[in-house]
Amino acid sequence: EAGVTQSPTHLIKTRGQQATLRCSPISGHTSVYWYQQALGLGLQFLLWYDEGEERNRGNFPPRFSGRQFPNYSSELNVNALELEDSALYLCASSSDQGAFTGELFFGEGSRLTVL
Amino acid sequence: AQSVSQHNHHVILSEAASLELGCNYSYGGTVNLFWYVQYPGQHLQLLLKYFSGDPLVKGIKGFEAEFIKSKFSFNLRKPSVQWSDTAEYFCAVTRKTSYDKVIFGPGTSLSVIP
Repeated sequence: EAGVTQSPTHLIKTRGQQATLRCSPISGHTSVYWYQQALGLGLQFLLWYDEGEERNRGNFPPRFSGRQFPNYSSELNVNALELEDSALYLCASSSDQGAFTGELFFGEGSRLTVL
Repeated sequence: AQSVSQHNHHVILSEAASLELGCNYSYGGTVNLFWYVQYPGQHLQLLLKYFSGDPLVKGIKGFEAEFIKSKFSFNLRKPSVQWSDTAEYFCAVTRKTSYDKVIFGPGTSLSVIP
């Protein structure tokens, strides 16, 4: 069974540009989570989508946005890129089967570098 | 605000030494607790989890963790570490309610010296 897949693996942008990161959850999982892992800062919660709806949002500015598609895949958009947006962006999925647990399955991540 | 803290940023141990990584959380209500591990070059994976019941839970590769509700703690332990345990370890917490976010601690980097 395929795990969570993310693309691209690496992305290099310049300040002010936009970045789009994509995530495909494990088959059967309906929830997708996005985290930012910046050097020395651990995992910071960004966004959570379930059944196409945004369920929760972390303490990030509005230029971080995303969506979830009918097939449960998701994309994260970062507009007006700033140098401090350079980080590893992790996607995770979960399938709570009607009972929320919070157990997450992570992808390899997309490394965004802003120059 | 909800938060998770981990006691050590970087731990260095010799093989066969015992390990204990501290984790404390500040959350109201009942919680689900997790430890995740990130081996070099690999993705984050679940090490163990606590939902309810016996507060001492066992995970993969000989790891265990104890939930002490009165101390808001969920410390990770292993009696004898191996070089292959070198990794980054993250404690994570979420409340037992629907659609609550999972909060991660800052991580502890473990280096095991052969």
